[in-house]
Amino acid sequence: AQKVTQAQTEISVVEKEDVTLDCVYETRDTTYYLFWYKQPPSGELVFLIRRNSFDEQNEISGRYSWNFQKSTSSFNFTITASQVVDSAVYFCALSERSRLTFGEGTQLTVNP
Amino acid sequence: EAGVAQSPRYKIIEKRQSVAFWCNPISGHATLYWYQQILGQGPKLLIQFQNNGVVDDSQLPKDRFSAERLKGVDSTLKIQPAKLEDSAVYLCASSLQGGDNYGYTFGSGTRLTVV
Repeated sequence: AQKVTQAQTEISVVEKEDVTLDCVYETRDTTYYLFWYKQPPSGELVFLIRRNSFDEQNEISGRYSWNFQKSTSSFNFTITASQVVDSAVYFCALSERSRLTFGEGTQLTVNP
Repeated sequence: EAGVAQSPRYKIIEKRQSVAFWCNPISGHATLYWYQQILGQGPKLLIQFQNNGVVDDSQLPKDRFSAERLKGVDSTLKIQPAKLEDSAVYLCASSLQGGDNYGYTFGSGTRLTVV
């Protein structure tokens, strides 16, 4: 069975700090996809990134970067120079056979 | 393109009442999902449709929840009778032909409060 663990329930940082959100997953499939979503207070799920299990290259998009390590089943997300607008709940998710399983989320609060 | 539409946005009902939610996916999207998100938790899959057929409803509490996707386009999710623990946000998502290859687009959700 697939499972996603986000061990950090809440993180609080001061603006401009870097912050890393951890994600560990479990799966028996060799083909799978990993996602990160942002859920601001308004409630909608905002897509951030999708990676497939065969692509272990790290990715950078502006202040966001992702580190995928298959050997440790981890897909961590780093925000560089955090801003107050980054405050939200962030979900890591695993998709196998087009079924998405979410972690419990990490509440990130960025204080001015 | 228009996003995934859901209605109503909010609903408050008393326990033991019935409620229905509606979802209109992105045009042309064959796969439709319903998720339940309880406050403080991640969304959990209730049911997956491919066109008008059910692919996976193993997590749907079938004694009180039902869902249909007639004609393979829009979908309704019903709860009858509602319990207090059904208070949650119900999210609909769609995908062109399955989220693995095409990703998932989520609607804004329906927030249900059962009192």
